Amino acid sequence: DAGVTQSPTHLIKTRGQQVTLRCSPKSGHDTVSWYQQALGQGPQFIFQYYEEEERQRGNFPDRFSGHQFPNYSSELNVNALLLGDSALYLCASSLALEDRDNEQFFGPGTRLTVL
Amino acid sequence: DAKTTQPPSMDCAEGRAANLPCNHSTISGNEYVYWYRQIHSQGPQYIIHGLKNNETNEMASLIITEDRKSSTLILPHATLRDTAVYYCIVRVVILTGGGNKLTFGTGTQLKVEL
Repeated sequence: DAGVTQSPTHLIKTRGQQVTLRCSPKSGHDTVSWYQQALGQGPQFIFQYYEEEERQRGNFPDRFSGHQFPNYSSELNVNALLLGDSALYLCASSLALEDRDNEQFFGPGTRLTVL
Repeated sequence: DAKTTQPPSMDCAEGRAANLPCNHSTISGNEYVYWYRQIHSQGPQYIIHGLKNNETNEMASLIITEDRKSSTLILPHATLRDTAVYYCIVRVVILTGGGNKLTFGTGTQLKVEL
């Protein structure tokens, strides 16, 4: 049973560019959340997708957008990259309606470096 | 979601119990206490959660005080592989799709040594 997978593992971009990160949830999960983790900090919630819609959003600008596909996989897009966007981007999946007793499973993350 | 306070770092000898405290004095009645850990360069891993009763699973035990204002995560026999950042999180659980974000603090860096 595959866990949460993310691609790519590492990425280097320059300021002003756009980036797309991908996530496949754990088998059977239908909800995907994205987090940004700067060096030395805890993960910060970006947004969560369920039924192909953004259901909850953290304090991130509109440059951060996402999408969920019918197979529950998800993409995170970041436009007009800034140096401060350099971070580990984590995807987590869970099963809606069972979150009371079901944990969120995290992927290994994508390390984004903006030069 | 309620704010939590954890010590920035702790040390533990291998084979001994590691007791990680968390203060959540502003927790409300419908908020659960969750613990996750993050081993270096990996994604966070769920450990345990509880509402008001003590909980135990194969990884750890969670002790929540009667007033629910603090809790302790106990790793009964810490090993070198338990070296990680441990996050205490409190959150409301919404029983509909897409409403269950996790709010992480900076956590406790646990170092298990020989």
